[in-house]
Amino acid sequence: EPEVTQTPSHQVTQMGQEVILRCVPISNHLYFYWYRQILGQKVEFLVSFYNNEISEKSEIFDDQFSVERPDGSNFTLKIRSTKLEDSAMYFCASRKGRENTIYFGEGSWLTVV
Amino acid sequence: GDSVTQMEGPVTLSEEAFLTINCTYTATGYPSLFWYVQYPGEGLQLLLKATKADDKGSNKGFEATYRKETTSFHLEKGSVQVSDSAVYFCALSDVTGNQFYFGTGTSLTVIP
Repeated sequence: EPEVTQTPSHQVTQMGQEVILRCVPISNHLYFYWYRQILGQKVEFLVSFYNNEISEKSEIFDDQFSVERPDGSNFTLKIRSTKLEDSAMYFCASRKGRENTIYFGEGSWLTVV
Repeated sequence: GDSVTQMEGPVTLSEEAFLTINCTYTATGYPSLFWYVQYPGEGLQLLLKATKADDKGSNKGFEATYRKETTSFHLEKGSVQVSDSAVYFCALSDVTGNQFYFGTGTSLTVIP
């Protein structure tokens, strides 16, 4: 079964450093998402992306965050200057279209020290 | 706005016990409803879904019925196993499909 893949599975970074989390969505999917889950807390929506632009974003997704689909297969989340509170599991997700089933990757653990 | 309210955990059951995890929702229109499962150290996996009223989603012995009259989507399993130990998330996809709203998650531990 096709799946969403994410890299790295775990990254440790120093506060203030830039981080790029990578995702390869399912190949015929058109809608892409990033969510995050701080340890022990609920899954939170960050951003949705369609037709090469952001379609919706949450208040968490401030100027420190950006997304890009550079080459038609990858979908990246960049955090420009990481803070301790950015430590979380980041999930990439994609969906094909109207079915409304979102498929999630296994997540990237980000630890900011 | 749209939201999901999920039964608080943690829940501890003996093997072969009956499981119910309650989930209610608030939404405009007719959302799609989902249950996701997160096993220890892993990502979110779709467990089951229902896209319209009275639909029943089922998978791996788990079931949930989309009840519009009670705005509920409770997860049930007749006989749990140790391998069912995980965190279960109820979720709602709004009518635009742009956003998912997750419940807070319910941790289930099944003891032999």
